[in-house]
Formats: sequence, C-alpha cells, structure tokens
Amino acid sequence: SQQGEEDPQALSIQEGENATMNCSYKTSINNLQWYRQNSGRGLVHLILIRSNEREKHSGRLRVTLDTSKKSSSLLITASRAADTASYFCATDDTGTASKLTFGTGTRLQVTL
Amino acid sequence: DTAVSQTPKYLVTQMGNDKSIKCEQNLGHDTMYWYKQDSKKFLKIMFSYNNKELIINETVPNRFSPKSPDKAHLNLHINSLELGDSAVYFCASRRQGSPSGNTIYFGEGSWLTVV
Repeated sequence: SQQGEEDPQALSIQEGENATMNCSYKTSINNLQWYRQNSGRGLVHLILIRSNEREKHSGRLRVTLDTSKKSSSLLITASRAADTASYFCATDDTGTASKLTFGTGTRLQVTL
Repeated sequence: DTAVSQTPKYLVTQMGNDKSIKCEQNLGHDTMYWYKQDSKKFLKIMFSYNNKELIINETVPNRFSPKSPDKAHLNLHINSLELGDSAVYFCASRRQGSPSGNTIYFGEGSWLTVV
C-alpha cells in the first residue's frame, strides 16, 4: 500500500516563483527522501532528511520534517522551467526490511 | 559510468511470452531492488535482495522471478506475460549498514508494453 500522500497532486507556477509540495506518511521512519522524475526518465535523488532532523537545505531546495505530524515539505525556490517534473517523497520505515515506500507524487509544471 | 544500469530500456512483447530485464550496479552496494511504476505513476516495491539473498517479496505473482547471480546484478524474469504487466520497472540499489538509512539509487527504467 502507498505510504505517503502528497499534496497537491499537480502544481503549475511561473518561473521565478516558489513551489511547495507536502507529504504525509503513516508510520515511524528512519528518514524521508525526496526524488524527482522527469518525464520518461528514472528517479533522481534530491535530498534525504533523517528522523532527528527538522530542516535541511540543498541549493534551491529546502526540506522540513515534522515527525509529530508525520509530514514533510519540499520547497523549491526561484523555480525554473527545468524544474518541471514529478516529485516523490519516500519514507525509509523503521521495522521494515530495507525498502523505501513512495508517495503518490506531485506533478510540477513551471512555465516561462 | 552509469551507476545503476538496466536493459532493455523499451520492450514490446505479446501476451504469453517470457521476458527478462537485466540490472547491474557499479556502486559496490549490497542491496538491490525492483520497483514497478504503473500508469498512474504509483511506485511499488516488488523485490529486495541483500547480498544475493531475497529479503522482500511484496506479494508479487510467482510469474515474476528475480535472480541475483552476484551482489552487483539483479535480473527480473517474467513468465507468461499479461496485459496488466505493462508498466515501467525500475532497478535500484543502496548500501546497507547506516542506522539512519542511505540513499537509494535508481536505474533509468525499463518500459514494458504487453500487447
């Protein structure tokens, strides 16, 4: 079963604007990871945030994690047309044999 | 220098056929996976191998048989293909051992179409 639910399912913004995607999950986790998938391509790892971390930055990406609410957000600042892709959160669950459980994904469209 | 490579990238085949998808990783990882992505983009784990040993089998039909000849390879063989098997299959790998977990690296996917 799908672990994470992502919100919104689709997001359309203009270049230069910020994009925020949210992810909720259900169980205890070791870490939460965000991936990007361009159309017709594989998944590219963006950032990993551990369960004892609350916020992490990488370039234009900012990820937050609230384990009490079982939620995470991914913020992409100053978006570019090249950021157009699907974004997935994935949880590395405690008590499970080494797997990532993916959310439903957010389709981001950045227009010029 | 692709870290996780899988072949073929595209595969169109008739119902009832048997086909294989191969995967190799050159990252020195000890754990490999097969994930399936359906037409709605849902990604679901199928199998996980650690040091050539099967550790996850997520209620996948036994027409699907993974084989790991060594730690760097995890192949997926599918017997008697059905229309519903049409999907994108992703191979992935990672290094175990870190209590807080490590990044999983994905291949580019194999697009399987059963007609």
